[in-house]
Amino acid sequence: KNEVEQSPQNLTAQEGEFITINCSYSVGISALHWLQQHPGGGIVSLFMLSSGKKKHGRLIATINIQEKHSSLHITASHPRDSAVYICAVNGNQFYFGTGTSLTVIP
Amino acid sequence: EAGVVQSPRYKIIEKKQPVAFWCNPISGHNTLYWYLQNLGQGPELLIRYENEEAVDDSQLPKDRFSAERLKGVDSTLKIQPAELGDSAVYLCASSLYSGYEQYFGPGTRLTVT
Repeated sequence: KNEVEQSPQNLTAQEGEFITINCSYSVGISALHWLQQHPGGGIVSLFMLSSGKKKHGRLIATINIQEKHSSLHITASHPRDSAVYICAVNGNQFYFGTGTSLTVIP
Repeated sequence: EAGVVQSPRYKIIEKKQPVAFWCNPISGHNTLYWYLQNLGQGPELLIRYENEEAVDDSQLPKDRFSAERLKGVDSTLKIQPAELGDSAVYLCASSLYSGYEQYFGPGTRLTVT
């Protein structure tokens, strides 16, 4: 049983498309993280949020605590957005999703 | 400010050999994490330190894995002896305190042949 589920597992989009990645979790949390991992690269934290919505450039993250659900949106997607996006939550320990592999085609 | 530093970046060893990974967290960060990441999977926590104390090592295979964080700064993760199934990326992360935003190092890619 995975405490954190992400969908889709794989996503291919055309450059410029609006992208949504979903994350559902089953444990009580104090915060949720969205992480980005490029092939062969380290992990970069994109957002940490515990309520509402945050925006950095073309990235938007939302969380609904009651529904135990979060979404990561990318507007005007670009090939450099191609990466694995991982959802992680602070419960009594850290739980990670298996990631969503995004490929943006020029 | 330097990020989390890990070395080596890559390591290839034969099975049954020992191997050690080193991590230098961000200065001032109280909490240090070691994760294992298999291809196509999310990171799995091996051990979490608060200062020099290992507060969560429930997922660390203690028969062959050991870790230390002397003086509450740098940390070393050791595998002895390594098995084929240990091939993975070993990630180190740190945060100001437990539960705060984590900053990840580049990882060490281990290949056991």
